[in-house]
Amino acid sequence: SQELEQSPQSLIVQEGKNLTINCTSSKTLYGLYWYKQKYGEGLIFLMMLQKGGEEKSHEKITAKLDEKKQQSSLHITASQPSHAGIYLCGADARGGATNKLIFGTGTLLAVQP
Amino acid sequence: DGGITQSPKYLFRKEGQNVTLSCEQNLNHDAMYWYRQDPGQGLRLIYYSQIVNDFQKGDIAEGYSVSREKKESFPLTVTSAQKNPTAFYLCASSVRVASVSTDTQYFGPGTRLTVL
Repeated sequence: SQELEQSPQSLIVQEGKNLTINCTSSKTLYGLYWYKQKYGEGLIFLMMLQKGGEEKSHEKITAKLDEKKQQSSLHITASQPSHAGIYLCGADARGGATNKLIFGTGTLLAVQP
Repeated sequence: DGGITQSPKYLFRKEGQNVTLSCEQNLNHDAMYWYRQDPGQGLRLIYYSQIVNDFQKGDIAEGYSVSREKKESFPLTVTSAQKNPTAFYLCASSVRVASVSTDTQYFGPGTRLTVL
C-alpha cells in the first residue's frame, strides 16, 4: 500500500536559519498537499502541488514536487517562531481523482529565538 | 465567516458508552471526511461522504458510524465497539463530487476524545 515518509521526524533550528522538510513516496503522487498543525488544533492548508517540477511559494515557505512526482520538499527561509508546529504532507496516491488522502507522520519543527 | 466547526473541543467518555462528535461546515462543500490522529501515526481515514445520504468506509471504520442527512453536517458516533477510542478526531471537507483532480481538504479544529 502507498505510504508517505517524512524526514526529519523533528527539527530544532535557531531563528533566522533556513530548513527543509522532505516527503517521499514509493509510488507516483497525484496531488501533494502540505499542511501545518499547531499541537491540539486542526490542520491549516499551506500549498498543493500537482505537476512534476512544480514549485509554489507563500511568504517564506516554498514547496517543490520533483519531476518524477515521488518526492516533495518544503523549504522555510529565515525561520521565525511563528513557523513552529507540525508539518504534514498528504497525497492522493491511488490513481488520482479519488479525493482520498493518505498522510505522512509529520515533522515537528521548533524554532529557538 | 466560512469554515468548519467541531464540537465539543474536549470530550470524556466512560467505557461502554457511545458518543457523538459534531462536524458542521458552511463552505457549501459536497464532500466531508473524518480522520483519527494518534501520536506517531499521522492521520487515518475513518469515513467519508461525497454526497448527502451517502458515505463510504475509510481505512479504520470498525467501531464508528456516521450519517449525512444534510450537506453541512457529518456527525461521527464512536461506539462501545471501538476498542481504543482515545484520540484526536479531525473533520474535513472539500468542494467536489466529480472532478478530474483532487480537491483541497480543509480541516476543522478537532475534538479530543478521552475514554476514562
